[in-house]
Amino acid sequence: AQTVTQSQPEMSVQEAETVTLSCTYDTSESDYYLFWYKQPPSRQMILVIRQEAYKQQNATENRFSVNFQKAAKSFSLKISDSQLGDAAMYFCAYGAQGGSEKLVFGKGTKLTVNP
Amino acid sequence: SQTIHQWPATLVQPVGSPLSLECTVEGTSNPNLYWYRQAAGRGLQLLFYSVGIGQISSEVPQNLSASRPQDRQFILSSKKLLLSDSGFYLCAWRTVTSGRLTDTQYFGPGTRLTVL
Repeated sequence: AQTVTQSQPEMSVQEAETVTLSCTYDTSESDYYLFWYKQPPSRQMILVIRQEAYKQQNATENRFSVNFQKAAKSFSLKISDSQLGDAAMYFCAYGAQGGSEKLVFGKGTKLTVNP
Repeated sequence: SQTIHQWPATLVQPVGSPLSLECTVEGTSNPNLYWYRQAAGRGLQLLFYSVGIGQISSEVPQNLSASRPQDRQFILSSKKLLLSDSGFYLCAWRTVTSGRLTDTQYFGPGTRLTVL
């Protein structure tokens, strides 16, 4: 079974600084997707960024980028120029390619942004 | 554009009472629909998913059930709530584009359920 591990329960960063959130996963599949979701205090899950496993190029979305290391099964999220609105729980998730399979989530990292 | 609605937003129910949570999706046809539960301090756990009307798959055996009476409507129910059913319930959808299932699940605003 696939598993997703986020080893940092909490992280903090100064406003305008850069922070990296870690995620590792375990799977025997070769084709899959990885996601980072943000859950602010409102608790709605918001997609931050996605990565297709067959693509070597790391995904980027404005201030958010990932470092995808397929062989190491690592998928970290880098947030540049951190803003107060980035404060939230961040969840790493794994999804198998095709079908209607579930997303497997890590337990989350709580990010605090200090002014 | 697609939107997803969940209601109620908040619910407080006594142990042993019934439950009905509703999720509807707008702006898409024949989506895959999902119910997740998030317990305090934990990630999300998939409860049910549906690939079409009347088609329900259960991931975790429990006293909850799900139904899909219409293409874009997904309902989570219970006949008798337990204390352990407390949590945050999220509905999600995933759509088919050009005949291919897309990979990303999008989530609704959620329902906070407290069972006393």
